[in-house]
Amino acid sequence: AQTVTQSQPEMSVQEAETVTLSCTYDTSENNYYLFWYKQPPSRQMILVIRQEAYKQQNATENRFSVNFQKAAKSFSLKISDSQLGDTAMYFCAFMKSNNNDMRFGAGTRLTVKP
Amino acid sequence: NAGVTQTPKFRILKIGQSMTLQCTQDMNHNYMYWYRQDPGMGLKLIYYSVGAGITDKGEVPNGYNVSRSTTEDFPLRLELAAPSQTSVYFCASSYGTIGRLNTEAFFGQGTRLTVV
Repeated sequence: AQTVTQSQPEMSVQEAETVTLSCTYDTSENNYYLFWYKQPPSRQMILVIRQEAYKQQNATENRFSVNFQKAAKSFSLKISDSQLGDTAMYFCAFMKSNNNDMRFGAGTRLTVKP
Repeated sequence: NAGVTQTPKFRILKIGQSMTLQCTQDMNHNYMYWYRQDPGMGLKLIYYSVGAGITDKGEVPNGYNVSRSTTEDFPLRLELAAPSQTSVYFCASSYGTIGRLNTEAFFGQGTRLTVV
């Protein structure tokens, strides 16, 4: 079974600074997808960024980027120039190719301080 | 477009009662999903459907039933509510398999269910 581990239950960062959230996963698969989701207090799940395992290049979306280390099974999220609106729970998720069961980590609560 | 709409937003059930959580999407998505989120945890897949008339179990299907008679609707049924089913329930939809060809899942805003 695939498992996703987020070892940081809570983190905080000053506004405008950079923060990195950690995620590791366990799988024997070679083809899969990785995701970071944001869940603000409104409970809405919002896709932040995704990575295909077959791509060596790390995905970036504006202030959000990932460090994907396939051999180490690591998928960290870097948020640059943190904003107050980034305050939320962040979930790392894994899904095998040709599968519909997305597995989530327990989440990291990020607080951006003014 | 309203996206994915879930009703109700909150509900309190007594042990042994039954209820149906409603989910509808107006994006003409083939795939729909039901997840539960327990306190301090990530989402876990209960059931999913790849099209009308087709449903499959996810990671935690026990105690639940689903049906998919139309593309738009994917209700989740709890037959005999138990305290272990206290959770936040999310419905989601996607055009195809999430991740493939940049396919994204769209989530509803959740239903908070408490069983007492």
